[in-house]
Amino acid sequence: EAQVTQNPRYLITVTGKKLTVTCSQNMNHEYMSWYRQDPGLGLRQIYYSMNVEVTDKGDVPEGYKVSRKEKRNFPLILESPSPNQTSLYFCASSFQGTNEKLFFGSGTQLSVL
Amino acid sequence: DQQVKQNSPSLSVQEGRISILNCDYTNSMFDYFLWYKKYPAEGPTFLISISSIKDKNEDGRFTVFLNKSAKHLSLHIVPSQPGDSAVYFCAALNNDMRFGAGTRLTVKP
Repeated sequence: EAQVTQNPRYLITVTGKKLTVTCSQNMNHEYMSWYRQDPGLGLRQIYYSMNVEVTDKGDVPEGYKVSRKEKRNFPLILESPSPNQTSLYFCASSFQGTNEKLFFGSGTQLSVL
Repeated sequence: DQQVKQNSPSLSVQEGRISILNCDYTNSMFDYFLWYKKYPAEGPTFLISISSIKDKNEDGRFTVFLNKSAKHLSLHIVPSQPGDSAVYFCAALNNDMRFGAGTRLTVKP
């Protein structure tokens, strides 16, 4: 089944404790992206990757890191999480870029205490 | 700076009636528009799209209308079904994809 898989689904952590949210897609998509969803603000892009070893900042990259060492994986890293990073996070992918529909993962609800 | 706005956070309609979800944008450079549907505990899924060279696109019960002069698009669902109850996100594309805040549609039996 073609899908984007994120883990974990739920995560509660404390300020400053490094964490990683994993994302994997099995559709051989070149483009992958991370979004956060906050009430009243919709989906805002954090980082995106056009291909392996190519990553770029989105609208709200502060406090996040990403890497794209393999085509299928695009982990989101929070080196020192803060409460304002409490949010619902979605990973997405598409074949070549944002110029087509995105396939989203099921989301990761992160709470930073 | 929200370039894509969905001004109605929620909408409630009766089963069988028409649902109309609205979206406004500010950037005239957007040339492609999409609607995504999101159920609780799931990621958004693509629903329907429209290019800026068109003013209407239809797919079954779903029709998207684009009014470029007004920078406005709308999604019509006819007839509405309880299974359509979800959050609907409007998205606009130029080089980047921008999303609206979403509208929660509730279709009552």
